[in-house]
Amino acid sequence: GQQVMQIPQYQHVQEGEDFTTYCNSSTTLSNIQWYKQRPGGHPVFLIQLVKSGEVKKQKRLTFQFGEAKKNSSLHITATQTTDVGTYFCAVYGGSQGNLIFGKGTKLSVKP
Amino acid sequence: GAGVSQSPSNKVTEKGKDVELRCDPISGHTALYWYRQRLGQGLEFLIYFQGNSAPDKSGLPSDRFSAERTGESVSTLTIQRTQQEDSAVYLCASSLEGQGLNSGNTIYFGEGSWLTVV
Repeated sequence: GQQVMQIPQYQHVQEGEDFTTYCNSSTTLSNIQWYKQRPGGHPVFLIQLVKSGEVKKQKRLTFQFGEAKKNSSLHITATQTTDVGTYFCAVYGGSQGNLIFGKGTKLSVKP
Repeated sequence: GAGVSQSPSNKVTEKGKDVELRCDPISGHTALYWYRQRLGQGLEFLIYFQGNSAPDKSGLPSDRFSAERTGESVSTLTIQRTQQEDSAVYLCASSLEGQGLNSGNTIYFGEGSWLTVV
């Protein structure tokens, strides 16, 4: 079935530093979604990317979809303590539409 | 309802007992998902319901796990003869319609049911 590899597994940064997480697939993706899960919370949808080479921004967050639609990245500029949590990418696993999540990147931010 | 509602929020059960977890999706959402998340781990897909189509059960880890959905409303995840490795949070999510290749409806998660098997 469809799988996505997400790296790194953990990232520790100093507040103000940038952060990037990557999601890679061996097959072409129709689209990709990104979610954030705060400690003790549930995943919350951030964004969906559909088009080849697409770039979307949400304040300090920048999302990119690769030209070949096989990889995606989430970049946070000047991290804040409120960015702490685990960031997941998610793709559709098959024609029926089940959504498969990457293993996530856990971000910790030191004040 | 306003959001995805799950119950119970916490459940402690003895090994070997059966448990039922309930999910009430957002009204009008035809797609419903169950995921399992062990402590500090990622989301493991379990099962997906879309309208009246046959559910995608490809993620269920064993025949001790089963799920039902009544029409396009409430779903119940049942775990029989629970084992300690079943301890996890079970997350339910729903979305407006089926997640076809070109659709992009947001899925909304409930708060989860935290299961501890002792």
